Amino acid sequence: DVKVTQSSRYLVKRTGEKVFLECVQDMDHENMFWYRQDPGLGLRLIYFSYDVKMKEKGDIPEGYSVSREKKERFSLILESASTNQTSMYLCASSYRGTNTEAFFGQGTRLTVV
Amino acid sequence: AQSVTQPDIHITVSEGASLELRCNYSYGATPYLFWYVQSPGQGLQLLLKYFSGDTLVQGIKGFEAEFKRSQSSFNLRKPSVHWSDAAEYFCAVDPGGYNKLIFGAGTRLAVHP
Repeated sequence: DVKVTQSSRYLVKRTGEKVFLECVQDMDHENMFWYRQDPGLGLRLIYFSYDVKMKEKGDIPEGYSVSREKKERFSLILESASTNQTSMYLCASSYRGTNTEAFFGQGTRLTVV
Repeated sequence: AQSVTQPDIHITVSEGASLELRCNYSYGATPYLFWYVQSPGQGLQLLLKYFSGDTLVQGIKGFEAEFKRSQSSFNLRKPSVHWSDAAEYFCAVDPGGYNKLIFGAGTRLAVHP
């Protein structure tokens, strides 16, 4: 079974803190994604990586950055957390080709106080 | 802009009743189409996907979906709902074939005994 593991299920951080959300996949997938999930808005793509050290902005990249130093690991960074970044964050991974599907982690619920 | 619409925010059905969840997309060509399910506190699980070919797609847990090009729709159906189907359901499209998914806002399903 494909496994996408997010390092924390729940996080509480203070405004202004630098926050790291970690994601690891075990299927040698080329593509990795970070989504944000908010009620009534579904999931929205924050950043996408198609290879090590490669990244591409998604629909809502403002206030976020990412790092992919190894193929299996994709980190989402909140440089200075704000209360409007309180949300559920979901990581996903997939093979690069077409006709493939994305596999999701369990999610990290982040609360910024 | 590409978008996905799930018109029903909440649906309640009785156990054993049939179910149809609606999904419409806005995109010039035929995108790749997906339905995901999210149980409370969990990540997303793929129910089924449409890439090409037969427009009636079978998925896991007894779900099926029908792609109708003329209506830009990809509705999810199940003939007899079980209490364990209570969850949130997301329709998603992949316009470019890279798994950069665009999600609908989701439909929350409640099942009465």
